Amino acid sequence: EIVLTQSPGTLSLSPGERATLSCRASRSVSSSYLAWYQQKPGQAPRLLIYDVSSRAAGIPDRFSGSGSGTDFTLTVSRLEPEDFAVYYCQQYGTSPRTFGQGTKLEIK
Amino acid sequence: EVELSESGGGLGQPGGSLRLSCAASGFTFRSYAMSWVRQAPGKGLEWVSGISESGGSTYYTDSVKGRFTISRDNSKNTVYLQMNSLRAEDTAVYYCAKSRGVAARYYFDSWGQGILVTVSS
Repeated sequence: EIVLTQSPGTLSLSPGERATLSCRASRSVSSSYLAWYQQKPGQAPRLLIYDVSSRAAGIPDRFSGSGSGTDFTLTVSRLEPEDFAVYYCQQYGTSPRTFGQGTKLEIK
Repeated sequence: EVELSESGGGLGQPGGSLRLSCAASGFTFRSYAMSWVRQAPGKGLEWVSGISESGGSTYYTDSVKGRFTISRDNSKNTVYLQMNSLRAEDTAVYYCAKSRGVAARYYFDSWGQGILVTVSS
């Protein structure tokens, strides 16, 4: 299976700053089938990005995704207070679909 | 608005069985694949099982193959997860998720609120 490794484990930033989250795959992700999710405590995950860079419905344009092959990035251009949460990447090009272990974005 | 509502969780005995249900509304259920994704306490997300729009194709992660069975009833807008031979490591919050993608290459665009399954004697 493809192992996804997210870094950093925890990212401490202030509102208004730019956040860059990394997701590295153990081998190439097929056809750019990579998604990003946001999860807040006690809530279900929410889809942010699919197909590496397509924003899901209702997701603000401060969220963007990029990358290819084995290296992918989620960028939040200007952090809002509601953006502090845990973020997961997921590949869905190869079975089984796998998730990264998550990056916690916390308020500095 | 898409709504997914899980039920049927709770305490299960090791070696025992539980059946989860997920009632869907707000979209044309028969047109979408569905999946179950779980999250052990304090841990990350793990895809468990998926089922195609018609129910004709089903998919499982290796750790549940032969123990869990996913099914759906398109007349009731409901997807199920029959969980047999439960193990302590099946303890998790189980999410029902509306699935997108082609040829079972699923990502998950809507999620239920989740239901807790605890396996313990």
